Amino acid sequence: EAGVVQSPRYKIIEKKQPVAFWCNPISGHNTLYWYRQNLGQGPELLIRYENEEAVDDSQLPKDRFSAERLKGVDSTLKIQPAELGDSAVYLCASSLGQGAVRGYTFGSGTRLTVV
Amino acid sequence: GQQLNQSPQSMFIQEGEDVSMNCTSSSIFNTWLWYKQDPGEGPVLLIALYKAGELTSNGRLTAQFGITRKDSFLNISASIPSDVGIYFCAGRYNNNDMRFGAGTRLTVKP
Repeated sequence: EAGVVQSPRYKIIEKKQPVAFWCNPISGHNTLYWYRQNLGQGPELLIRYENEEAVDDSQLPKDRFSAERLKGVDSTLKIQPAELGDSAVYLCASSLGQGAVRGYTFGSGTRLTVV
Repeated sequence: GQQLNQSPQSMFIQEGEDVSMNCTSSSIFNTWLWYKQDPGEGPVLLIALYKAGELTSNGRLTAQFGITRKDSFLNISASIPSDVGIYFCAGRYNNNDMRFGAGTRLTVKP
C-alpha cells in the first residue's frame, strides 16, 4: 500500500511569491491533515478535513494560507504571499476517521525555504 | 503553541546504553503516543497508550501512560545506531487533535 505522498519535497522561493503543496493521502482515508513543523519543534495542526469538508481550520492563518480538498481525496495547501517566517516543513497526514490513531500516517513533508 | 513539555531536549549516549525520555502536560489526555522522526521524513508511530497506568512494549521500546494522565515516558533499552532520530510525544483528549511535544533528539555513538 502506498503511503501518504507529498510533493514537492523541497521548495525555495522569494518572499512575497506564492507557493503550493500537494498531498495524496492513503487510499480510503477520509480524514486528511496539514501540519507545519518549525525547526526544532513538533508538528502543529493547520487544518483537518473530513472528506471534502474543512472541519478544523482554526490554526490556519487565513490571510495568506488557503487549502482545498476537492472530491475528498487529494489536497493542496497554498501560501500567498509567502513571508520569511513561513519557512518550515509542511506535513500532510491521513487517517481512517479522526479517532483512528494507529492508522494515522504522515507523508515525508515539503521543506519550504523563503528567502 | 506547544502544550507538552518534553525532556530532555537532546541526548548523546553510547551504543548499548538505555535511554529514558518523558513528556508532561498541564492538561489531561486520554491517549498518549510516541513517534520517531528520521531526517527528511515524517513522524512514524512507535507506541500508542490508551489507559492511565498502561505499560506497553514494542521490541526494545517501553512506554507508560502516567496515572495522573498528564505524563508519559519512553524507554529504549540497549540502544543501537539506528535509534538515532527525534522522538516526539503526542497527547490527545477524546477526539480532539493531537498536540506534539518539541521532541528529544537522540544521538547514539558507536
